[in-house]
Formats: sequence, structure tokens, C-alpha cells
Amino acid sequence: KQEVTQIPAALSVPEGENLVLNCSFTDSAIYNLQWFRQDPGKGLTSLLLIQSSQREQTSGRLNASLDKSSGRSTLYIAASQPGDSATYLCAVDKLIFGTGTRLQVFP
Amino acid sequence: NAGVTQTPKFQVLKTGQSMTLQCAQDMNHEYMSWYRQDPGMGLRLIHYSVGAGITDQGEVPNGYNVSRSTTEDFPLRLLSAAPSQTSVYFCASSSRRLVVSDTQYFGPGTRLTVL
Repeated sequence: KQEVTQIPAALSVPEGENLVLNCSFTDSAIYNLQWFRQDPGKGLTSLLLIQSSQREQTSGRLNASLDKSSGRSTLYIAASQPGDSATYLCAVDKLIFGTGTRLQVFP
Repeated sequence: NAGVTQTPKFQVLKTGQSMTLQCAQDMNHEYMSWYRQDPGMGLRLIHYSVGAGITDQGEVPNGYNVSRSTTEDFPLRLLSAAPSQTSVYFCASSSRRLVVSDTQYFGPGTRLTVL
């Protein structure tokens, strides 16, 4: 059974730092992995979708990588801003979600 | 496009009551799904549909029914509400089949409390 884990569960950093969020999955036979952002009391907003044949995807200050063989994906946020404060979730094959990393970026 | 809409935004039920959570999308998406989100447990798939007339169970289907009579609508029915169904419910859609690489869009959620 596929299990998805996100570490750390919470992260608090000062503005301007580069940071890495981690997502691990137990079954490497995946089709895609998607990163989402969730603001308090809101739905999920898609950030990046990586297909199994890809190694990374970039959007602005965000870069997501995928290493299927090791069962890991990372979301890299460059030059963090207070507006990046949210919970970040990864999902495998649109089915299995991690529990998320709650990020707070303070001025 | 309105995207994925959900109603109501908030609902309080008594144990044993029934109700329907509404979900609609205007993007002509084939794939729609329902999740529940509980603290510390992430999102768990309840039911999903790959097209009108086709539905299937997800990870936690017990106590919930779905139907898909049109492409646009995918209602979730609670047959006899229980306190364990207190949660936030999200509906999502994407353009094609389950594991094809298409972005999944989420609705704003329904916060349900069962007393």
C-alpha cells in the first residue's frame, strides 16, 4: 500500500531564506506527483505536477524534483516571503496525499 | 469559468440525519473525486468518478454514496451522519482519467460538524 510522508510537519523561517520541503513515498511505481498549497480554511491550489518520466519542474521561485528510485520528491522555495506561509502537500497519482508541511515565513 | 464549486460551505448535522454535499465543475472534466481532510491525517479519498455514470470507491467509502448523472455534478450523500464524519470535505476534478498527468483542481471545501 502506497504511503506518503512529509517532513518536517512544521517549519518557521525568516524571510529571504531558501528552503526545502520533503515528500517520501513507499512505492516507486508512480505515474505522477503533485505539489499543492493550502491556505487556512481554503481549498488546495496546484503548484507543480511532475510526471514519472520527468526529474523536475519549475515555476517562478518554486522547483520540484522527483527521484522515483529513492521514493522522494523535494519542493525548493527560493527567497521565501511571508506570502509563502501556508501548508504544502504532496500527492502521488492524485490519490494518496501526505499530511503536509505547515510553513511560516516571518518578516 | 467558476472552476470547482461546493455547497454548502458550513453544515451542522445531528447524528442520524442525512444530507447531500454538492459539487459542480464547469471545465468539462471527466474525472471527479471527493476527499475528507482530518487533522494529522491528510486528505483521504472517499469516492471518485472517471465519467458520467461511472463511480468507484476510494480509501474510506463507508457511510457515503455518490452518483454521477452528468459530467458537471458529483454530489456526495451522507446516509446517516455520525460524529466520525465530522471533517472538511473537498471535491476535485481533472480533465482525464485518474492517473493521466493533468492538474487536479479543488473546490473550497465544506466544513461539516456532526453532533
